[in-house]
Amino acid sequence: QITLKESGPSQVKPTQTLTLTCTFSGLSLNNGRVNVGWIRQPPGMALEWLALVYWDNDKFYSPSLKNRLTITRDTSKNQVVLALTNMAPVDTGTYYCALYDHGSNFGFDIWGQGTNVTVSS
Amino acid sequence: EIVLTQSPGTLSLSPGERATLSCRASQSISSTYFAWYQQKPGQAPRLLIYSASSRATGIPDRFSGSGSGTDFTLTISSLEPEDFAVYYCQQYSNSAFTFGQGTKLDI
Repeated sequence: QITLKESGPSQVKPTQTLTLTCTFSGLSLNNGRVNVGWIRQPPGMALEWLALVYWDNDKFYSPSLKNRLTITRDTSKNQVVLALTNMAPVDTGTYYCALYDHGSNFGFDIWGQGTNVTVSS
Repeated sequence: EIVLTQSPGTLSLSPGERATLSCRASQSISSTYFAWYQQKPGQAPRLLIYSASSRATGIPDRFSGSGSGTDFTLTISSLEPEDFAVYYCQQYSNSAFTFGQGTKLDI
């Protein structure tokens, strides 16, 4: 069974950089076409896609946030890391990592449970 | 960036009824890269439909998707109590993903 788990700080201050880690079990980043995305959701609001890293390390970012985002694959640790700089209160929400197209279905088909992040001084 | 607009914002129905949810794209998109998700309170989203009309693994056949170009539809043929949730559409084009704002399906 494949599971994903997000981890990182539950609270950050404005202007700080948020670093989140997605750790996999039941799946190796070294084996096969593993594509990993990050999606966030402000409280009571809609989902927003942030970034995606393909199995070949090709990376794509949300156009509105690309100057603040970095996504990185660490195959030695079987993790994908997302960094979001210059945090502001509007960045508060639940952050999810998810596998994309794992079942050859062009969708985010396996999700982590999400991690809550609050931006406050 | 392609904008997805879902309607209605809230749909109030009863168990056993048929639900029809719509998603309209700001420009024509490939149905191959169009999906629907279900999200229940406190849970991560779950993939329901991919490539506009294919059910994901384990999704009951009361869920069906259709559409092409700019107009897509999710239909739930006969609502079960566990179907009351928020539904999101999502597309991928030009190396970017976007989600709709969601439709809340209420009892």
